Amino acid sequence: EVHLVESGGGLIQPGGSLRLSCAASGFTFTDYEMNWVRQAPGKGLEWVSYISGSGSNIHYSDSVKGRFTISRDNARNSLYLQMNSLRAEDTAIYYCASSQAVPAATDAFDYWGQGTLVTVSS
Amino acid sequence: QSVLTQPPSASGTPGQRVTISCSGSSSNIGGNTVNWYQQLPGMAPKLLIYRYGQRPSGVPDRFSGSKSGTSASLAISGLQSEDEADYYCATWDDSLNGWVFGGGTKLTVL
Repeated sequence: EVHLVESGGGLIQPGGSLRLSCAASGFTFTDYEMNWVRQAPGKGLEWVSYISGSGSNIHYSDSVKGRFTISRDNARNSLYLQMNSLRAEDTAIYYCASSQAVPAATDAFDYWGQGTLVTVSS
Repeated sequence: QSVLTQPPSASGTPGQRVTISCSGSSSNIGGNTVNWYQQLPGMAPKLLIYRYGQRPSGVPDRFSGSKSGTSASLAISGLQSEDEADYYCATWDDSLNGWVFGGGTKLTVL
């Protein structure tokens, strides 16, 4: 059974940094592309960042480009999001979501974690 | 405002068929597959429809998806009370080089 478990959220002051983690189990991690998607309180879903199975291909939304860094450790079946220069508008639940690439791409977020809440406030 | 446009709300009575629309452009829906996600209250989103109307294992065939040009639709037939949730469309945007979501549609079962 696929499990994605996020951690690392919390209360942080504006301008601060935070590192989110997502532990994956139940599937061959390298066969899946990974994404971070966030949801501000009472708002809709917003895609944040993407990383390919090998980690060689990365994309960011314009709202976080230059401030956030996505990475993965395939030996540890883990996904990360380093968030710097945090702003109040980054306050949200952050979900990690997987997307099967091998043997057949689904081009969709197949599985989601339960999310971790990041609150940026002084 | 979201790149993809969905109606903020929809409603129906048990047993009815409801449709939720999702409008985009040639750089997103027009050239890519559209996925639909269901988010029950207080829960993480769940994949409902992907790749030209396919359903993941466990998703009832009451849910179906379609696309025409730069618009897509999610249809739910035989509406049930447990279908009350937020529904989001999503696709890749070639111009933005990233995934885009609709603003979400809150479905109420009357």
